[in-house]
Amino acid sequence: QVQLQEAGPGLVEPSVTLSLTCSVSGASLRDGDFYWSWIRILPGKGPEWLGYIYYSGSTYYKPSLERRLVISIDTSKNQFSLDVASVTAADTAVYFCARTQFGSGPFDFWGPGAQVSVS
Amino acid sequence: QSALTQPASVSGSPGQSITISCTGSDRDVGSYNLASWYQHRPGKAPKLIIYGDRERPSGISDRFSGSKSDNTASLTISGLRSDDEGVYYCCSYTGGSNYVFGTGTQVTV
Repeated sequence: QVQLQEAGPGLVEPSVTLSLTCSVSGASLRDGDFYWSWIRILPGKGPEWLGYIYYSGSTYYKPSLERRLVISIDTSKNQFSLDVASVTAADTAVYFCARTQFGSGPFDFWGPGAQVSVS
Repeated sequence: QSALTQPASVSGSPGQSITISCTGSDRDVGSYNLASWYQHRPGKAPKLIIYGDRERPSGISDRFSGSKSDNTASLTISGLRSDDEGVYYCCSYTGGSNYVFGTGTQVTV
């Protein structure tokens, strides 16, 4: 069974770079049939797709956030990561990692999420 | 890109059927056969229950069904059960390697 698990700092101060890591088991990040995504849910809002990465290192980001986001991948550890630069209170959210089927596919497995508060 | 519009809440009695709508535009829902639906219970990982507008992943009950008309996708849950409670989100591919989600619907049984 595919499982994803987010890890993050919980609480960060404004203006710093937020870093989150997603550990994957039951699937290989080297599998070319999938992208690996980050999604967040802001308080009282629906989910917001942030971006994804392919095993080759190719990345795609939500255009309005692209200048603040970096997604990276470590296939040797079967992990991928998200950095969000210059965070503000508006970045307070639950952050999820998810597996995404290649070719504009759905998000078929998600992690349970990591709460991040900016204060 | 605006979020897809869903009703804030839908409720039903055990055994009944409910339908959740998800309204987008001809730039997202109406342009692609790629609407998906997710069930999210508190503290749990969201679960994919419908993809490709109407397809069910392996292991998902046939009580869940998806459909689409023009710019509106819909999720129907039949034979409602207490463990169907949670927040349901729709999602659509929007082109250019981009996705938009719905505002979410709280289902109460």
